[in-house]
Amino acid sequence: ETGVTQSPTHLIKTRGQQVTLRCSSQSGHNTVSWYQQALGQGPQFIFQYYREEENGRGNFPPRFSGLQFPNYSSELNVNALELDDSALYLCASSWRESEMNTEAFFGQGTRLTVV
Amino acid sequence: AQSVTQLDSHVSVSEGTPVLLRCNYSSSYSPSLFWYVQHPNKGLQLLLKYTSAATLVKGINGFEAEFKKSETSFHLTKPSAHMSDAAEYFCVVSAFGRYNTDKLIFGTGTRLQVFP
Repeated sequence: ETGVTQSPTHLIKTRGQQVTLRCSSQSGHNTVSWYQQALGQGPQFIFQYYREEENGRGNFPPRFSGLQFPNYSSELNVNALELDDSALYLCASSWRESEMNTEAFFGQGTRLTVV
Repeated sequence: AQSVTQLDSHVSVSEGTPVLLRCNYSSSYSPSLFWYVQHPNKGLQLLLKYTSAATLVKGINGFEAEFKKSETSFHLTKPSAHMSDAAEYFCVVSAFGRYNTDKLIFGTGTRLQVFP
């Protein structure tokens, strides 16, 4: 167990709806990254939050947004859901100070199905 | 740009025989490289990492990998497979170089099957 917890574990939404996924980082970690893993693919980097600000973004549209809270937990929000958003969403936490950081530790993910 | 290519989508071995999972990388920076394992319905677990120290890296559960700059390879090996090794394995490169080890680019994965 990594100490990174995600909720919910499974979710079914209808196309066009909005969804919020949650992540609690490992104790002592101040950075949260989000990844999307489509079926049969490797995870793809969505974005990272450090000190409550976005700190890097992958090739995802603006309808993917996030937040980081003072306790370093994080939310991933997806608006206007599309069928292709169906995937496993993984949260990873790490500790970062300036340009130095530890490796990422992953949660077990949230399985999102869009119908 | 950084990328990794996993050369085999599926590898099948018998229990007790060696495992070889192949990975080539491309990186504009001195890279950090990782192998992660994903068991069914589980999150990702770090097996091992290379961040510019020794080129032969030892990880958990008997796995090791060798960084070969001349071949741009980072293959994962284990001398003797166990049934519990059956899983999906991902070769991973850091997106922004050696010192940024928490923004990751994943390969497409290699599914390892282990037969009794």
